[in-house]
Amino acid sequence: GAGVSQSPRYKVAKRGQDVALRCDPISGHVSLFWYQQALGQGPEFLTYFQNEAQLDKSGLPSDRFFAERPEGSVSTLKIQRTQQEDSAVYLCASSWIGGVGQPQHFGDGTRLSIL
Amino acid sequence: RKEVEQDPGPFNVPEGATVAFNCTYSNSASQSFFWYRQDCRKEPKLLMSVYSSGNEDGRFTAQLNRASQYISLLIRDSKLSDSATYLCVVNWGRDDKIIFGKGTRLHILP
Repeated sequence: GAGVSQSPRYKVAKRGQDVALRCDPISGHVSLFWYQQALGQGPEFLTYFQNEAQLDKSGLPSDRFFAERPEGSVSTLKIQRTQQEDSAVYLCASSWIGGVGQPQHFGDGTRLSIL
Repeated sequence: RKEVEQDPGPFNVPEGATVAFNCTYSNSASQSFFWYRQDCRKEPKLLMSVYSSGNEDGRFTAQLNRASQYISLLIRDSKLSDSATYLCVVNWGRDDKIIFGKGTRLHILP
């Protein structure tokens, strides 16, 4: 596709439910990133893949958060036993190749609301 | 010191004026720097990369000061459409991980 595609665009879940957020990066982009953005804040880094390898997951807030990219393309961010503090916009970004200096291209984000 | 720090604003600036923001970063090993623009309820979009020698793109000028560890963005002849949040972005060390500032809100007033 022309850009990074994320789905669903909006997700409402009850506290305690599991959710899965999908990211389809720009075709051919090697690097894929997940961010969490709370209202009025800048995006906070969650995790990073280069192809299928998860190189950095230091930003995942707890072991309830899990991300995968099994074939080096589409990625899924899963949140188990959701809590109200998980409510945020989850942004996915991709870049063409690993290495310093590559700007990232963002999807529209998934707005997650936990009731 | 916070990793990437910006004045949150808001900056309320009359149309046609010049406005400048600074952003400081704490990791001296950072090698790439960007300004992103984010409109309300939209995703961040790359505005411009910041190069060591400084660079200009139309009304926008970006500067990097490695010694003092800050980058700046200057907007000349501001337009109503420049109203947005401007995010300072710094790579963290020698890999792709990047850190965002919390953003500076800019309101251009008619």
